[in-house]
Amino acid sequence: SQKIEQNSEALNIQEGKTATLTCNYTNYSPAYLQWYRQDPGRGPVFLLLIRENEKEKRKERLKVTFDTTLKQSLFHITASQPADSATYLCALGKTGNTPLVFGKGTRLSVIA
Amino acid sequence: DAGVIQSPRHEVTEMGQEVTLRCKPISGHNSLFWYRQTMMRGLELLIYFNNNVPIDDSGMPEDRFSAKMPNASFSTLKIQPSEPRDSAVYFCASSLEGGYTFGSGTRLTVV
Repeated sequence: SQKIEQNSEALNIQEGKTATLTCNYTNYSPAYLQWYRQDPGRGPVFLLLIRENEKEKRKERLKVTFDTTLKQSLFHITASQPADSATYLCALGKTGNTPLVFGKGTRLSVIA
Repeated sequence: DAGVIQSPRHEVTEMGQEVTLRCKPISGHNSLFWYRQTMMRGLELLIYFNNNVPIDDSGMPEDRFSAKMPNASFSTLKIQPSEPRDSAVYFCASSLEGGYTFGSGTRLTVV
């Protein structure tokens, strides 16, 4: 069955450093991959989408890579700030409006 | 736009009671999804609709769960009868294409 693994349940880093979160998947051939941010008591918020034919995408301090050979996506937050502390979810999707399949998330804590 | 609106935000009910969760998607979005989130299992898809039509309800745990979308601006998820193992946060999300917009969720506790 399809499986999505995010590298760890929790990640602590110092303010100003680059946070790198990993999303690995098996038994799935996604057309695209998305990253979401979720704060406690709130719903996930969409951050970035990267398609299977794209290697890298950037948005402000965020960078996402997608390697379909390794079946892996890396999510980077540069110059991290305490306000970046949240849970980050990766999600895989196929073409059209078929539903996303979500990983369990990585809880990032940025320490001042 | 007020985003995806879910109600109630919190629901505490006794085992055996009927529970109805409500969702108003973003106007113009043609797909609506119901997910359930728990610590153990993360976000799990329950059912989704395209253009108000249910497409896949294979994620609905059992016959106690049902969902409707009578029009483009409203959907309900009903649990009858509720059981303690149904306790979770239930999210509704809508999309047109690309990223999903999630509501704030309904935290359901069945005692």
